Amino acid sequence: DVKVTQSSRYLVKRTGEKVFLECVQDMDHENMFWYRQDPGLGLRLIYFSYDVKMKEKGDIPEGYSVSREKKERFSLILESASTNQTSMYLCASTVGTTTNEKLFFGSGTQLSVL
Amino acid sequence: GQNIDQPTEMTATEGAIVQINCTYQTSGFNGLFWYQQHAGEAPTFLSYNVLDGLEEKGRFSSFLSRSKGYSYLLLKELQMKDSASYLCAVTGGGNKLTFGTGTQLKVEL
Repeated sequence: DVKVTQSSRYLVKRTGEKVFLECVQDMDHENMFWYRQDPGLGLRLIYFSYDVKMKEKGDIPEGYSVSREKKERFSLILESASTNQTSMYLCASTVGTTTNEKLFFGSGTQLSVL
Repeated sequence: GQNIDQPTEMTATEGAIVQINCTYQTSGFNGLFWYQQHAGEAPTFLSYNVLDGLEEKGRFSSFLSRSKGYSYLLLKELQMKDSASYLCAVTGGGNKLTFGTGTQLKVEL
């Protein structure tokens, strides 16, 4: 089975801190994604990457950046955490780069910014 | 833009059949996904529809009508473990994948 692993299940950070969320997939998938999930808003795409060192903005990239130095690892960075970034963050990957492919999700990181 | 509508909550009885609807308005359409998400867990893939009609996978079936911008997920012989959120997601113009807000299904005895 494909495994998408997120480094932390729960994180508590203070306003202004720099936060790193790590995601690793073990099946040589091309595409990787970062979503946030909020009640009543559904899943919203922050950033995605279709190749090493490549990144594309999603629907809500403001306040975030990403890094993909190796194919299996995709990091989400909050440069200066704010309370409105309190959310569930979900990493996902797909085998290839076409949009008809199913997403494999990690278990999520519940981030609280105080 | 893309707009996806699903009911927020539904309740059904164990052993019964439930239909979860999803309507969408998109600029272009490539396909529609259904995902299941149990509380505190990752979403998992259920189905993908590209063409009109019904696709069946065991107790779960998914239907698509492209002309009506409508899909439904049909769950038969409901079990308690089917209590979860069901997410509809559409790939529209520009290959953009948009998720609905999800339908929280509660299965009762």
